[in-house]
Amino acid sequence: EAEVAQSPRYKITEKSQAVAFWCDPISGHATLYWYRQILGQGPELLVQFQDESVVDDSQLPKDRFSAERLKGVDSTLKIQPAELGDSAMYLCASSPGTGSYNEQFFGPGTRLTVL
Amino acid sequence: EDQVTQSPEALRLQEGESSSLNCSYTVSGLRGLFWYRQDPGKGPEFLFTLYSAGEEKEKERLKATLTKKESFLHITAPKPEDSATYLCGVHTGGFKTIFGAGTRLFVKA
Repeated sequence: EAEVAQSPRYKITEKSQAVAFWCDPISGHATLYWYRQILGQGPELLVQFQDESVVDDSQLPKDRFSAERLKGVDSTLKIQPAELGDSAMYLCASSPGTGSYNEQFFGPGTRLTVL
Repeated sequence: EDQVTQSPEALRLQEGESSSLNCSYTVSGLRGLFWYRQDPGKGPEFLFTLYSAGEEKEKERLKATLTKKESFLHITAPKPEDSATYLCGVHTGGFKTIFGAGTRLFVKA
């Protein structure tokens, strides 16, 4: 069964360092999402891609976060510099359709701890 | 402002004790309301999407319903393996996806 892959699964870093997360969506899925989930809260959408184009990044803290999906397949989310408040689970999801209302398939997430 | 509120925050049930989870929403144009299940340390797993008031969907012991202001996830005769966090969310007219904070369900054998 096809799955969304994410790496690393866990990352511990010190504040002011740079971190990067990678996501490989299900093959053929045009839409890719990055979410941040703080413990005890629901996922918060950071950025949504349609193929290689950004559809929505209104909640992405652009002074320190960046995301790219160069060939419209896998994607990288970067934080530089990391802050204590960035500690959270970072989830990647993909969906086959072009609308955000399609079922989203989530990866296992990357648990980030900033010390 | 678009908003999704889930209640209760946590729910403890005995095995076989049926109950309901609530999801109320205020959005500028609902394109769909969805339910996901999330186990600790894992990504959410899709359960249902509902598109219009009056719609109902079922899957095993779960049944989701939708009105113009809220959705309910009914759990019939739950088992311990149903213990998880249940997330509700909406796709808005502005093509945004908004999740609620979730309801943590604990089912005791």
